[in-house]
Amino acid sequence: DQQVKQNSPSLSVQEGRISILNCDYTNSMFDYFLWYKKYPAEGPTFLISISSIKDKNEDGRFTVFLNKSAKHLSLHIVPSQPGDSAVYFCAASAYFNKFYFGSGTKLNVKP
Amino acid sequence: GAGVSQSPSNKVTEKGKDVELRCDPISGHTALYWYRQSLGQGLEFLIYFQGNSAPDKSGLPSDRFSAERTGGSVSTLTIQRTQQEDSAVYLCASSDSGTVYSEQYFGPGTRLTVT
Repeated sequence: DQQVKQNSPSLSVQEGRISILNCDYTNSMFDYFLWYKKYPAEGPTFLISISSIKDKNEDGRFTVFLNKSAKHLSLHIVPSQPGDSAVYFCAASAYFNKFYFGSGTKLNVKP
Repeated sequence: GAGVSQSPSNKVTEKGKDVELRCDPISGHTALYWYRQSLGQGLEFLIYFQGNSAPDKSGLPSDRFSAERTGGSVSTLTIQRTQQEDSAVYLCASSDSGTVYSEQYFGPGTRLTVT
């Protein structure tokens, strides 16, 4: 049973526009969330995180929003750039060291 | 500096054979994780090492899977009597501590195909 779900396998956005990637989770005990970015033939790289005590965290063009009541997480990329084209994974943790990952959303930013 | 490396990058094996996958973490990282990603699925946690011990093996799918870590560094994941459902990309990650707040650095993965 998947505890973290990314229901959109792909997303296509025009360069300069906003990309919004969504993630839903089922376990109300999750208290730490991350987004990873993955290019082909490479391992995922950390992008941004958020703790459950916050509802927003921003890092440059990337902002993560957390809605605990809806058990929903989103990543906003503004403005989107062609180099952002990659697969994005969200992940959640309820305790010390174990993460649950979503299945990923492939973002394509068109020039 | 050097990142996490994994070998081989690709492995094709016949059903029933044993395979060994290797992970070299970033030097000095005490925590090491193994994940696998099957087609269309997310990363599935397999096992976590802190030093040479594995406090969390809960993700290993069956007793055909085992892992060890020696000298607090290199780790090998062994799959015995491989089955077609074992086909996946196996990813290794390391971090400088075992907490979730410590960034995990991933290797490029080993793509395992069982024919």
